[in-house]
Amino acid sequence: DTAVSQTPKYLVTQMGNDKSIKCEQNLGHDTMYWYKQDSKKFLKIMFSYNNKELIINETVPNRFSPKSPDKAHLNLHINSLELGDSAVYFCASSQEYGGRETQYFGPGTRLLVL
Amino acid sequence: GNSVTQMEGPVTLSEEAFLTINCTYTATGYPSLFWYVQYPGEGLQLLLKATKADDKGSNKGFEATYRKETTSFHLEKGSVQVSDSAVYFCALSFTASGSARQLTFGSGTQLTVLP
Repeated sequence: DTAVSQTPKYLVTQMGNDKSIKCEQNLGHDTMYWYKQDSKKFLKIMFSYNNKELIINETVPNRFSPKSPDKAHLNLHINSLELGDSAVYFCASSQEYGGRETQYFGPGTRLLVL
Repeated sequence: GNSVTQMEGPVTLSEEAFLTINCTYTATGYPSLFWYVQYPGEGLQLLLKATKADDKGSNKGFEATYRKETTSFHLEKGSVQVSDSAVYFCALSFTASGSARQLTFGSGTQLTVLP
C-alpha cells in the first residue's frame, strides 16, 4: 500500500551520463513535487506539477527536465550528469483541502555521480 | 521572503530526557507549519502539523504549537527514546502559484538519543 514510490532507490553513474528517476503516487493527489537534499541534509524544491502542468520551476539547471505523463506520475530526467548532482532526490505529492494541504514524501533516490 | 530557522544540531540526549527543538519562521500571510522526521537511510515522514494560530499538532508523544505572536513552532517531547534518533525538519507551506503550495524547510536538526 505504498503511497509515494520512487525508483531506483540507489543510482550510481559516471559523469556525463543521462539518467531518469521515476515517481508514482497512488493517493489520487493532483500535485507532485521534486526536492533535492544535499550532503548537509538541506532540502530545496526543484519542480512542482499540478494536473500534469508545470507550476513551480525553481532555479535548476536545464539539464534537469521533469515529465508528467499522467497525474499519478512525475519523472525526473537528468542529462550530462555532473559531480554536483550527487544528492538524494525526493518526490512528494499533495492534495489541497479547504485551502490547506500536506505533502507526502517518497523514500528518496540516492544519486552518486562518479 | 519565506524562511524557516531551526535550532542547530546535533542534539544528544539521554533516554527519557526532555526534548525541545526550536523553530521560528518568517512568512507573509498565514502559512501551515509542519515537522517532518527523517530516520537514518529513509525518506521524510510527516510527524505533525498545524494549520492556524494556536493550533497544537501532536503525534507519537511529540507536540508543537503554532505561535503567531512569536512566529514559532517549537517541537517538544517529554521523554525521548533511542528510537527517536533521527533528523527533524521544520517546514512551512505557502501558495507559490496556481494551486500548488511550496514547502520551505529549515536546515534540519540531528537528534541522537543514548541509552
